[in-house]
Amino acid sequence: KQEVTQIPAALSVPEGENLVLNCSFTDSAIYNLQWFRQDPGKGLTSLLLIQSSQREQTSGRLNASLDKSSGRSTLYIAASQPGDSATYLCAVRLNAGNMLTFGGGTRLMVKP
Amino acid sequence: DTAVSQTPKYLVTQMGNDKSIKCEQNLGHDTMYWYKQDSKKFLKIMFSYNNKELIINETVPNRFSPKSPDKAHLNLHINSLELGDSAVYFCASSRQGQGGGYTFGSGTRLTVV
Repeated sequence: KQEVTQIPAALSVPEGENLVLNCSFTDSAIYNLQWFRQDPGKGLTSLLLIQSSQREQTSGRLNASLDKSSGRSTLYIAASQPGDSATYLCAVRLNAGNMLTFGGGTRLMVKP
Repeated sequence: DTAVSQTPKYLVTQMGNDKSIKCEQNLGHDTMYWYKQDSKKFLKIMFSYNNKELIINETVPNRFSPKSPDKAHLNLHINSLELGDSAVYFCASSRQGQGGGYTFGSGTRLTVV
């Protein structure tokens, strides 16, 4: 059974800092891995999708890496801004027809 | 032009009632899902459905049932609502194969009183 863990559970940083959010999973036979953002009381917004054959994906100030063999992914946020404050969720998909398994999320607060 | 839309956004109802949440996607995806987010914000799969098969998470009570009138819709019916059913329910969709990512709806906050 796939288990996904995110560390830290919460993070508070001053504006402008670069930061790294961690995600680990127990079954390395994944199809893809997706990072989401969830604002309070809102739905999930997809940030980055990494296929099992890929090592990283970039979108603006966000960079996600994937090390399938060690069961890890990181989300790097450069030059953090108060608007980045949200919960970040990592989710893995085991095969083409399977459902996502989510981590517990990292609650990020960026202080002005 | 909303990709995955859910209605209603909020639902307050009494114990024992039967209710439905609707979900529609206009992305042309072939698979739809229902997820439950509990009070601790943890997301768990409830159902996965495409035109071939329904996959049910074994922990979901049989009071919950998905209904799909067509490929673009997957509605969630809940019978005999209980206090513990209070949560946020998210609909999502994806395209099988082709490395497709998920697209989520904005959620329905269900409160059972």
